[in-house]
Amino acid sequence: EDQVTQSPEALRLQEGESSSLNCSYTVSGLRGLFWYRQDPGKGPEFLFTLYSAGEEKEKERLKATLTKKESFLHITAPKPEDSATYLCAVQVSDTGNQFYFGTGTSLTVIP
Amino acid sequence: DTEVTQTPKHLVMGMTNKKSLKCEQHMGHRAMYWYKQKAKKPPELMFVYSYEKLSINESVPSRFSPECPNSSLLNLHLHALQPEDSALYLCASSQDLLPTDTQYFGPGTRLTVL
Repeated sequence: EDQVTQSPEALRLQEGESSSLNCSYTVSGLRGLFWYRQDPGKGPEFLFTLYSAGEEKEKERLKATLTKKESFLHITAPKPEDSATYLCAVQVSDTGNQFYFGTGTSLTVIP
Repeated sequence: DTEVTQTPKHLVMGMTNKKSLKCEQHMGHRAMYWYKQKAKKPPELMFVYSYEKLSINESVPSRFSPECPNSSLLNLHLHALQPEDSALYLCASSQDLLPTDTQYFGPGTRLTVL
């Protein structure tokens, strides 16, 4: 059964304290892994797409990496405005763009 | 521009009311989606439209009725909802239904059913 798991469920960091969020997946035929940021009561905001193991993408303080079993979202020197829920989603089908979402990691950055 | 707009932002309705949610995108995307999201849960797919035709219906109750009048607009008609239908309703769009197509989400409509 296809499964996407994110850890930790919640993470509290001091401002400037770097850390990583994990998205592990057990799916057959990964076609793409997507990272989103979601603020409370708002829609998910697209961050990155990764397609193959070894791929890395960066944007400001965020860096996403992908292996054959998991993806990491590294946050370097976070700021309070990075506080949000981070969702990963995987796409496995060749016949439709159906996402399987993880349950998310709620990040709080304390000033 | 990767903007998807949704109206209204908030909606409160009784169980006997009929209301509609609206979604619009002007990115030329040919696939559009409706998701339902409960608090502290990930989005759950409800419907997918591709080239204005319903492609996926995830066994959603008939009190939710989607409509795609044209390639830029997506509606969700609501009738005889239950309190447990209260949630954030998200619209998304993507270039097509290819596995590598990114979905871009709107800000959502917060629905409360009394």
